[in-house]
Amino acid sequence: AQKVTQAQTEISVVEKEDVTLDCVYETRDTTYYLFWYKQPPSGELVFLIRRNSFDEQNEISGRYSWNFQKSTSSFNFTITASQVVDSAVYFCALSELEGNEKLTFGTGTRLTIIP
Amino acid sequence: DAGVIQSPRHEVTEMGQEVTLRCKPISGHDYLFWYRQTMMRGLELLIYFNNNVPIDDSGMPEDRFSAKMPNASFSTLKIQPSEPRDSAVYFCASSRVAGELFFGEGSRLTVL
Repeated sequence: AQKVTQAQTEISVVEKEDVTLDCVYETRDTTYYLFWYKQPPSGELVFLIRRNSFDEQNEISGRYSWNFQKSTSSFNFTITASQVVDSAVYFCALSELEGNEKLTFGTGTRLTIIP
Repeated sequence: DAGVIQSPRHEVTEMGQEVTLRCKPISGHDYLFWYRQTMMRGLELLIYFNNNVPIDDSGMPEDRFSAKMPNASFSTLKIQPSEPRDSAVYFCASSRVAGELFFGEGSRLTVL
């Protein structure tokens, strides 16, 4: 069975600080996909990134970066120079082989950026 | 382009009443999902469709819940009869690429 653990329930940092959101996953499959979604106060979830299990390269997109490590079954998300607009709940998710569209979401981490 | 459109945004009803939530997916997306979000249980997948056909409804809580997708541009989630424990935010999402879901703003349901 798949499982996604986001141990950090809530995090608060002061604006401009860097912050890392942790995600640990469990799966028996050798091929799988990992995702991060953002849920701002407006409520709708917004897709941030998709990573397949064969691609362990780290990804950077502006102030966002993701560190995928199969050895520790982790897919962590770092925001550099945080801004107030980054305040949201962030969800990590996992799915199995392409064609199986079921996402298993973690419980989310509520990030608050203090101005 | 218009995103996923859900209605109503808010619904307050009394226990025992029928509730119908509606969703218009993004044009060209082959997959449609219904999720439920509560504080206790987080995000739960209720059902998803591919090309209007239900693929997996194992997350539907019980027979009181039903979902339909009569065409590529419309889906409904119905609860009959509703119960207080059904109170939640119900999200509809659509996708064209595996896992890259586009979510609607959600329908907040309160059952008194």
